[in-house]
Amino acid sequence: KQEVTQIPAALSVPEGENLVLNCSFTDSAIYNLQWFRQDPGKGLTSLLLIQSSQREQTSGRLNASLDKSSGRSTLYIAASQPGDSATYLCAVRYGNKLVFGAGTILRVKS
Amino acid sequence: EAGVAQSPRYKIIEKRQSVAFWCNPISGHATLYWYQQILGQGPKLLIQFQNNGVVDDSQLPKDRFSAERLKGVDSTLKIQPAKLEDSAVYLCASSAVSGRTGELFFGEGSRLTVL
Repeated sequence: KQEVTQIPAALSVPEGENLVLNCSFTDSAIYNLQWFRQDPGKGLTSLLLIQSSQREQTSGRLNASLDKSSGRSTLYIAASQPGDSATYLCAVRYGNKLVFGAGTILRVKS
Repeated sequence: EAGVAQSPRYKIIEKRQSVAFWCNPISGHATLYWYQQILGQGPKLLIQFQNNGVVDDSQLPKDRFSAERLKGVDSTLKIQPAKLEDSAVYLCASSAVSGRTGELFFGEGSRLTVL
């Protein structure tokens, strides 16, 4: 069964700290992996998309890595800000199917 | 570029009533998805369209849920009759590329409360 797990479920950090969110998947035969941000009461905003042939993608203070062989991806957020507070979801594509994790709720304290 | 549009944003109904949600994808996006997100969980795919054809509806409860995408553009998702466990956010997403490599773009969602 294709499952996606995100650890931790919730994280609270002081402003300015660098942090890592983890995503693991059971089936390594993926096409791509996408990280999303979801603010309360809102839809999902795409942050980064990593194709299966890539090892990492960067956008501003965000860096996502992919290790297919170990079934893991990490989202690194540098110099966190209160505005980064949100739920972060990873989604793994298997063929036509996108499987989501339950998300990590991030709170950055000022 | 306009994003994915969804309406209504909020809907409250009583169980056994019916409800319909509407989605207009990003212009030119051939693939359209409907997801159900229950509080505290990740989104779960209900149905995926490629143009106006169904690619995957394996997790759609077909005894009460139906969806259509006429003319390969906008789409409606209907629930009839609604149950308490249908309370969730219904998210529409679209992508330009079919299935496997495309980046998904989501709308704001339609929050359904069934009393």
